[in-house]
Amino acid sequence: EVQLVESGGHLVQPGGSLRLSCAASGFTFSDHYMDWVRQAPGKGLEWVGRIRDKAKGSTTQYAASVEGRFTISRDDSRNSVYLQMNSLNTEDTAVYYCARGFWSGDIVYYGDYWGQGALVAVSS
Amino acid sequence: DIQLTQSPSFLSASVGDRVTITCRASQGISRRLAWYQQKPGKAPDLLIYAASTLQGGVPSRFSGGGSGTEFTLTISSLQPEDFATYYCQQFGGYPLTFGGGTRVEIQ
Repeated sequence: EVQLVESGGHLVQPGGSLRLSCAASGFTFSDHYMDWVRQAPGKGLEWVGRIRDKAKGSTTQYAASVEGRFTISRDDSRNSVYLQMNSLNTEDTAVYYCARGFWSGDIVYYGDYWGQGALVAVSS
Repeated sequence: DIQLTQSPSFLSASVGDRVTITCRASQGISRRLAWYQQKPGKAPDLLIYAASTLQGGVPSRFSGGGSGTEFTLTISSLQPEDFATYYCQQFGGYPLTFGGGTRVEIQ
């Protein structure tokens, strides 16, 4: 059974840092891109970023709103993907989801499996 | 960035109704679009990718269409479990972007 389990959500002060983890099981993690998506309270979905698989150099892409502050990494030996969040501000308050990517033709979509979400609250 | 405009943003309908949601892209994205359903307090569920490919396990009353800049999600006969918020997302270029969502409520 495929599972994605996020951890690390917490209350943090503005300007602080936090690292979220997403532990995967039930599939060959190293073969998949992984994405992060967030949802602020009462708002819509916002794509945060993605990390490609090792075969594609584990390269990353980010939304403009987090570029330079957030870093996505992966450890295939631990079947885990991470979201390092620095210089947090109140607008980063959201539930953060990790999701598995999959190929269809020449495009990698995501979301056939999702984590349960991790709440990050940025407040003084 | 590629902008996605969903319409309507809110839809009130009855069980059994046929419902269509539209998603318009600010530039052509071929068929590189997905649709997600989200219920309150839950992670989204993937419904459709590549504009019209139904994700496994999704009921056949859901269908997607379109290409280029205009796309549709149709529910042929609305069921009680379909009352939720629906989002489109484009995969035509980075950053990946979502539409603003369409909330479907019981009339």
